[in-house]
Order: sequence, then structure tokens, then C-alpha cells
Amino acid sequence: ETGVTQTPRHLVMGMTNKKSLKCEQHLGHNAMYWYKQSAKKPLELMFVYNFKEQTENNSVPSRFSPECPNSSHLFLHLHTLQPEDSALYLCASSQDGTGVSNEQFFGPGTRLTVL
Amino acid sequence: AQKITQTQPGMFVQEKEAVTLDCTYDTSDQSYGLFWYKQPSSGEMIFLIYQGSYDEQNATEGRYSLNFQKARKSANLVISASQLGDSAMYFCPLGGATNKLIFGTGTLLAVQP
Repeated sequence: ETGVTQTPRHLVMGMTNKKSLKCEQHLGHNAMYWYKQSAKKPLELMFVYNFKEQTENNSVPSRFSPECPNSSHLFLHLHTLQPEDSALYLCASSQDGTGVSNEQFFGPGTRLTVL
Repeated sequence: AQKITQTQPGMFVQEKEAVTLDCTYDTSDQSYGLFWYKQPSSGEMIFLIYQGSYDEQNATEGRYSLNFQKARKSANLVISASQLGDSAMYFCPLGGATNKLIFGTGTLLAVQP
């Protein structure tokens, strides 16, 4: 595996379900990110982890719970979601979480549908 | 506040022709960077090119070049010799010292044969 991978690629869940999204990066990076991409809206940064520590929570509802056990893995635990949470969830990584020129490498995303 | 504006929701270009995608930004940071990413229908964001605020030369990367006009706060992407595979959404996020990327709404480019 190379780059940034995300599983599952597609997820359909009911509002009472609990599910998790997984992201793994094989680039030796130290920073990882979760973004939400809704139709016709700019990408929204949700969470940032730098060296396994959460450095950014962009006012995300508590029904989204991130976990970063090590610099290579990032999870997004989902529970009691709403239909408006349906979106493409993108994971990204970068060398670290500082510096203006740090290119972020993105995974293919998980397309989430909440019924 | 930091902001990215992409005023072209959609663009058409004939195969083999050049196309310019517009991007303007607003920031109070002295040091910042502009990125261009391509997002095909598969969903993955693909990095294309980067321009730092202190770079004196416009960035180029193969068929991609960035027309950086700092005084106008614009960082337009020029794609030369368009190919069918260039059809995608294009984003020009702004990066600052915290490495947070601020995205706009993007431009959907369709390359016609």
C-alpha cells in the first residue's frame, strides 16, 4: 500500500448505528487531518493531529469522535448521526502540522450516507 | 479572516487548448502558500502545484503553471494543452503557518474532445 488509504470507501448507516472510518498513511508523516466535503460547500477541516496529539477541533459535534493511536493511523468514530452528516469524508497527512509549504496528501475518501 | 474565492463554478475547454482557472484569496498573514489540487470523480485530492508568498518566480510543474499576482491576491492556474483526463474539480486552498488549508468552492473543468 502506498500513500493514504481509507476504509470503507462507501458506508450507509442508520441514525442509531455506530461505525468507524479508518485512515492509514504510509508516507512517514506526523500530521493527519479529517475533512468533510458536502455538496456545493468548501471542504471543512474537522480535526488535526500532530505527533498523535489533537491540535485542532473545528467545533465539530460530539457525535464525531476522532482517535489517533499512532502517527500512521487515524479513526473517526461515528454515532447517532444525522442525515445532514452525509458527505465525503477525506483524510489527509503531511510531514508535520506546521509550516506554510507542507503539502497535504489526501486519501480517496469515504462516501457516507446517513438514512 | 482567511478566504478563498473561485468565481468560476464550471469551465469548458477544448482538448489541446490552454485554460486558466481563477483563484483569489484574502489573508492577513505575511507568510502563506497557495496550493492547487485536482479532484476527479473518484474523490481523491491530487496535489498539482504550490506557490509560496515569498517566491519570486511563478511556480511551474509540467503542463501546470501558476500566475501569482501578490498585489492582486490572485493565484490563477494555467493548464496548457488540456487533456481529457484533466476533467475534474479544481481547488486552490490557502495554507498558513498552522498548516490549516482553507478551501473555496472549486471549479469544475470539462475538457471536450
